[in-house]
Amino acid sequence: DIVMTQSPDSLAVSLGERATINCKSSQSVLYSSNNKNYLAWFQQKPGQPPKLLIYWASTRESGVPDRFSGSGSGTDFTLTISSLQAEDVAVYYCQQYYSTPLTFGQGTNLEIK
Amino acid sequence: QVQLQESGPGLVKPSETLSLTCTVSDGSVSDDTYYWSWIRQPPGKGLEWVAYIYYTGSTNYNPSLKSRVTISVDTSKNQFSLKLSSVTAADTAVYYCARSGSHYYYDSSGHERLTYNWFDPWGQGTLVTVSS
Repeated sequence: DIVMTQSPDSLAVSLGERATINCKSSQSVLYSSNNKNYLAWFQQKPGQPPKLLIYWASTRESGVPDRFSGSGSGTDFTLTISSLQAEDVAVYYCQQYYSTPLTFGQGTNLEIK
Repeated sequence: QVQLQESGPGLVKPSETLSLTCTVSDGSVSDDTYYWSWIRQPPGKGLEWVAYIYYTGSTNYNPSLKSRVTISVDTSKNQFSLKLSSVTAADTAVYYCARSGSHYYYDSSGHERLTYNWFDPWGQGTLVTVSS
């Protein structure tokens, strides 16, 4: 199984400041034949299902604000919120779709400082 | 815009079988572009993928649950379903159904293969509590 480990578990950031969440996979999720990283990011607010933010590690889903960006390759990935807004308070998950079992990180709880 | 809706009992007794159905609207489970999954989330905890099914009936299960899980598709009703047997309190969770798109890639032998994408969209989820 590919183990996904996020850091930190919890993060408090002031409004307007940058938030950075890291995700590390236990093995590479970069597929050489197409040079794509099989990594997605989700945002989950209380009482709601996860919402897709980023796929292929850095492609923003349609309708997602451009303050959200994804980067990284291989085993190390980052979700960055460039200027934190109040509505960004949520739990964030990374997920690999490189191989089954499909696995998620443990989640990062993002709060306002 | 495709929509997914989970349904089923909210309370299941220990040792019994949990049965859930996901109804797909404004989309088709027979569409060969998509895979259909179940994912669960225990209260206050993280996400665990349970299984997926392709319209052909091809399935893939999380090894941690494989001995107890069955996923199936009913194209006539545009639904797919989950059965989890011999449940315990550890199976108490919000169960989500979700769709994954697909893409082709070339495997190490140079053969073109179809595989799944990320999960999108998700249903709203249904809480199943295992308790006597």
